[in-house]
Amino acid sequence: QSVLTQPPSVSGAPGQRVTISCTGSSSNIGAGYDVHWYQQLPGTAPKLLIYGNSNRPSGVPDRFSGSKSGTSASLAISGLQAEDEADYYCQSYDSSLSALYVFGTGTKVTVL
Amino acid sequence: QLQLQESGPGLVKPSETLSLTCTVSGGSISSSSYYWGWIRQPPGKGLEWIGSIYYSGSTYYNPSLKSRVTISVDTSKNQFSLKLSSVTAADTAVYYCSAMVRGVLVWYFDLWGRGTLVTVSS
Repeated sequence: QSVLTQPPSVSGAPGQRVTISCTGSSSNIGAGYDVHWYQQLPGTAPKLLIYGNSNRPSGVPDRFSGSKSGTSASLAISGLQAEDEADYYCQSYDSSLSALYVFGTGTKVTVL
Repeated sequence: QLQLQESGPGLVKPSETLSLTCTVSGGSISSSSYYWGWIRQPPGKGLEWIGSIYYSGSTYYNPSLKSRVTISVDTSKNQFSLKLSSVTAADTAVYYCSAMVRGVLVWYFDLWGRGTLVTVSS
């Protein structure tokens, strides 16, 4: 039972732009804690994609962008490519009695 | 380049203790720049944080697992370990170790090991 909610799936044609939402609450995203995003390609470990709401680690294409507002955050993928087909997870910190480090429910991105 | 590698039994019997080790290479586990964490992922499901440890031994655990989890660090071997007691089939998962780095307020999962599948079955 994750405290961060994501849509189970999103899809788009190559070249299109897709967005993934991550909805939290006043004890995590709304409390001002940063949101981070991870990409998990099929059969592999998660990889840091976006940190601190909108920063890309070295090597991550600028097609990936993140934003945060209020109790939610979003990941956008522009110019969708076949290699972007993966699961994406948001993650933040929660100051309630739940786990300190919380992940979103995960979103499967399908390239049509 | 920092790298992490999980190791341990792939099969554990119900009610027994799951034990995994994460070996850190390319850097020191005693670095003040990192926390070290364990995350798990049941087959076909999402990610769950288990707990984290600093080189000094300071630990934080997921409250849902706290009564069964122990995470420790061995600076002489550049390793940190996970023990999960009284396992059931619900503990079957891929277990990942991770290097956490400091963000603006709290830490996040910068580097991940490849993961190791642990199956709980008799």
